Amino acid sequence: GENVEQHPSTLSVQEGDSAVIKCTYSDSASNYFPWYKQELGKRPQLIIDIRSNVGEKKDQRIAVTLNKTAKHFSLHITETQPEDSAVYFCAAWQDTGRRALTFGSGTRLQVQP
Amino acid sequence: NAGVMQNPRHLVRRRGQEARLRCSPMKGHSHVYWYRQLPEEGLKFMVYLQKENIIDESGMPKERFSAEFPKEGPSILRIQQVVRGDSAAYFCASSPGLAVTDTQYFGPGTRLTVL
Repeated sequence: GENVEQHPSTLSVQEGDSAVIKCTYSDSASNYFPWYKQELGKRPQLIIDIRSNVGEKKDQRIAVTLNKTAKHFSLHITETQPEDSAVYFCAAWQDTGRRALTFGSGTRLQVQP
Repeated sequence: NAGVMQNPRHLVRRRGQEARLRCSPMKGHSHVYWYRQLPEEGLKFMVYLQKENIIDESGMPKERFSAEFPKEGPSILRIQQVVRGDSAAYFCASSPGLAVTDTQYFGPGTRLTVL
């Protein structure tokens, strides 16, 4: 089955700096890669996603890149703000087999004011 | 348009009791997924259901756990004879279908504590 590895597990940046979180996946059949933000005690919320036919996608301060050959994808947050502090999860999904999201282990991002 | 609803939000059970968790998908969504999140960990897939059908339960323990999504009413995750290791947050997610464009949206979760 699919296996998603995510790093780093914790990341501390100064307000205004950029943050990068990286994930690798094992199953080349995976074709959809969402990123979720989870604040303490709350539900995971989708912040951005990318399909396998696209190499990069940007939404204001957030961008995601995908390298299908290397089977890795990354989340980039620019001009970080204290409200970006949360746990971020990457996930992989495919439209065959299980058809459920396989999540990475999460990255705890702390933005220092 | 109401989002995914789950209840109860918090549930406390003693060892050996039954826990029943409910999930109402978003309007128009016919696919429901259940995930479990242990403290300080990521979400793990448990079961995937469509109306009246279990499609994939490969992530759900074979003993004590069951799930259903009846024709009418919410999806239910049932845990019999709970043990302390069942303490976790249980999230359900729903999507309209199986296309790559069908994003999964999560409910607020049920936090189960087993004493």
